[in-house]
Amino acid sequence: GQQVMQIPQYQHVQEGEDFTTYCNSSTTLSNIQWYKQRPGGHPVFLIQLVKSGEVKKQKRLTFQFGEAKKNSSLHITATQTTDVGTYFCAGTGSNDYKLSFGAGTTVTVRA
Amino acid sequence: SAVISQKPSRDICQRGTSLTIQCQVDSQVTMMFWYRQQPGQSLTLIATANQGSEATYESGFVIDKFPISRPNLTFSTLTVSNMSPEDSSIYLCSVEESGSIYEQYFGPGTRLTVT
Repeated sequence: GQQVMQIPQYQHVQEGEDFTTYCNSSTTLSNIQWYKQRPGGHPVFLIQLVKSGEVKKQKRLTFQFGEAKKNSSLHITATQTTDVGTYFCAGTGSNDYKLSFGAGTTVTVRA
Repeated sequence: SAVISQKPSRDICQRGTSLTIQCQVDSQVTMMFWYRQQPGQSLTLIATANQGSEATYESGFVIDKFPISRPNLTFSTLTVSNMSPEDSSIYLCSVEESGSIYEQYFGPGTRLTVT
């Protein structure tokens, strides 16, 4: 199956600054999803991208799916303390329903 | 989205024993999954729980160690058998809601410590 890699592993951000986390797959993905896990919590679904080159926004979060459907990014603007947590990307292959999760990017925010 | 509960929320067990984790969903769902998440790590799929048939296990996970039941469309159990300290982890069930495409919703997890 596909392997999904995610960088950076850790992101320390000053409150108010922007940051981006990146996700890359070894194979073409059918779709990619993003999840957020707060400390001590469980993963919560954020969004799904399906189309090549797709861009979706949720308030201060912008999600992109690459043209080749092998990479994705999550960009957060004006980081707030509520953004603390681990962000996982997860993808499914062309003939697969199973999610392969990236290693996650753990975000801490300096007030 | 579906509301998912898991029991127990946490447990401390002795090596060599077994623990059964329950996952209950408030609506009928087609797909249910069991994951393991070791501290500070990503999620690893253990198996897909199939209603009315044997679970589909991922590489590295076997039925003798992680037997799974799925008697109906709202309930599943995962048993961690003959536990060792290496089984200490968070175990999560997730569901893919009927009508959605691949997006999954997770239960709160069961934190297992094996001593």
